[in-house]
Amino acid sequence: GAGVSQSPSNKVTEKGKDVELRCDPISGHTALYWYRQSLGQGLEFLIYFQGNSAPDKSGLPSDRFSAERTGGSVSTLTIQRTQQEDSAVYLCASSRGRWGTVSGKTQYFGPGTRLLVL
Amino acid sequence: QKEVEQNSGPLSVPEGAIASLNCTYSDRGSQSFFWYRQYSGKSPELIMFIYSNGDKEDGRFTAQLNKASQYVSLLIRDSQPSDSATYLCAVTNNNDMRFGAGTRLTVKP
Repeated sequence: GAGVSQSPSNKVTEKGKDVELRCDPISGHTALYWYRQSLGQGLEFLIYFQGNSAPDKSGLPSDRFSAERTGGSVSTLTIQRTQQEDSAVYLCASSRGRWGTVSGKTQYFGPGTRLLVL
Repeated sequence: QKEVEQNSGPLSVPEGAIASLNCTYSDRGSQSFFWYRQYSGKSPELIMFIYSNGDKEDGRFTAQLNKASQYVSLLIRDSQPSDSATYLCAVTNNNDMRFGAGTRLTVKP
């Protein structure tokens, strides 16, 4: 079956431009997560959706970052006025249920979008 | 600041040995604990999760949790060269998940 897919796989942009990253979770997974991983660093949690709602947006690094999810499926992460420090791999993951539940304890990661801001 | 700490390594063990990976966390409200494996240039993949004190075994992997000491570990028995990767510890409460920076493990043939 299909796993989590992300697009684009690579994105090079100029400083100050807006970018939109897309995540297609596994069908039927209600929970969706965005993470960022900078070169040589660990994963940084950004935001989590249960259905279309994001209970906690405090992980987003700044107000230039926003995310939405529609129809309980596809999610987009938008970065406005990109900065060089935004360069990283942006990973999306999904799980059958939300954190704190048995069904939510296994997350499946997508291949990531490698963002380079020049 | 809620922290998850791991020894960055590299940790090198010979093939067939036991590799021991350690993780400490600062948030006493943490509820679930995960170990992910990440090969270079690849996305993380879940190895195990644990949420009760004690040991949890799955094949060659054993996760150990001690909430009083705020400590979680991963043991890999009979280590294989294919186990060479970075191992990420992650800790969740209801609202977020925090990762350690990872421990790089090398298993030498």
